[in-house]
Amino acid sequence: QSVLTQPPSVSGAPGQRVTISCTGSSSNIGAGYDVHWYQQLPGTAPKLLIYGNSNRPSGVPDRFSGSKSGTSASLAITGLQAEDEADYYCQSYDSSLSVFGTGTKVTVL
Amino acid sequence: EVQLVESGGGLVQPGGSLRLSCAASGFTFSDHYMDWVRQAPGKGLEWVGRTRNKANSYTTEYAASVKGRFTISRDDSKNSLYLQMNSLKTEDTAVYYCAKNMWSGSYYAFDIWGQGTMVTVSS
Repeated sequence: QSVLTQPPSVSGAPGQRVTISCTGSSSNIGAGYDVHWYQQLPGTAPKLLIYGNSNRPSGVPDRFSGSKSGTSASLAITGLQAEDEADYYCQSYDSSLSVFGTGTKVTVL
Repeated sequence: EVQLVESGGGLVQPGGSLRLSCAASGFTFSDHYMDWVRQAPGKGLEWVGRTRNKANSYTTEYAASVKGRFTISRDDSKNSLYLQMNSLKTEDTAVYYCAKNMWSGSYYAFDIWGQGTMVTVSS
């Protein structure tokens, strides 16, 4: 059972903005650990999308942005596109051990 | 090209053992912490464990669900990571990914992932 909670699903029409929350506690996100985000397209390995709460690796479109506040973090996708339909996971640390969020399926309507 | 390639998955009976390998290329393997992450069919990602680099004494950490049954090791001369899995249970059935760590500024993210190898524990 994950200590980081995400909504099971979010959806939006092409061009819209969607956000995914990642809720933790004082032993993980609230303890100051970075939050990272991964995108997993169907049938593929996860891909790093956001690292260090708000940084994008080279090649990740600026439609994706991350933020962190207190014991929570968020991933925002602006200008939603069909190819953004995927599962998204947050990741952080709890007592120095890595933990993943429960995952969120993004559906493009 | 930076790449991780897992191998060694397959079908094993409950209580059995299996050893997974992860071959790294395109980066200085010995410099980096390496992790294993798994994903049960239709489920989310679950962290399995980590091995640090030589500078940090190759120390390891494990998730509670596998501690005492799984062992992570590495051979820097072969650019390879391993996961020895013993006393396997049906709930260990999953795709197993190896992942390279990158420093994010205050801790680590997984910037490179392998394609995964499937482990099925069933009688």
